[in-house]
Amino acid sequence: EAQVTQNPRYLITVTGKKLTVTCSQNMNHEYMSWYRQDPGLGLRQIYYSMNVEVTDKGDVPEGYKVSRKEKRNFPLILESPSPNQTSLYFCASSSRGTGQPQHFGDGTRLSIL
Amino acid sequence: GEDVEQSLFLSVREGDSSVINCTYTDSSSTYLYWYKQEPGAGLQLLTYIFSNMDMKQDQRLTVLLNKKDKHLSLRIADTQTGDSAIYFCAESVQTGANNLFFGTGTRLTVIP
Repeated sequence: EAQVTQNPRYLITVTGKKLTVTCSQNMNHEYMSWYRQDPGLGLRQIYYSMNVEVTDKGDVPEGYKVSRKEKRNFPLILESPSPNQTSLYFCASSSRGTGQPQHFGDGTRLSIL
Repeated sequence: GEDVEQSLFLSVREGDSSVINCTYTDSSSTYLYWYKQEPGAGLQLLTYIFSNMDMKQDQRLTVLLNKKDKHLSLRIADTQTGDSAIYFCAESVQTGANNLFFGTGTRLTVIP
């Protein structure tokens, strides 16, 4: 089954404790992206990757890092999480090219205390 | 990023039609999308329309695009309680990447 898998689905942690949210897709997609969803703001893009070893900033990259060492994986790293990063995070993937439908994971709800 | 705007809430009675509206600002939009988000779930692609089209119909869903006014709408015929969800409008702009710019989402509540 074609899918985008995120882990963990839920996490409560404390300020400053490094965490990684993993994202894996099994569709051989070149493009992957991370979004955060906040009430009244919709989804905002954090980082995206157009292929292995190619990453770029989205609209809200501050406080986040990503890596793309393999095609299927695109982890999101919070080196020193802060309470304003409490949010619902989504990973998405698609084939290369504008207009290719994006497939979304089920989301990761992060709470930073 | 680009501005994509939606009203936050919509309530309709079961069996009626729902119309969810969206406006966007970037005239270089190539594709416009409607996604559905059910509670606790990710985003499910409902339908999309290429910017040179005016209308697309898919079963109970009708998408209308007015490119001059930069206005997109999603009509759901015979709305059911299972249609209760948040609906996001999104646009894809010709940049070489496949980045999407989302609206705030419209929470549709279907009253039995």
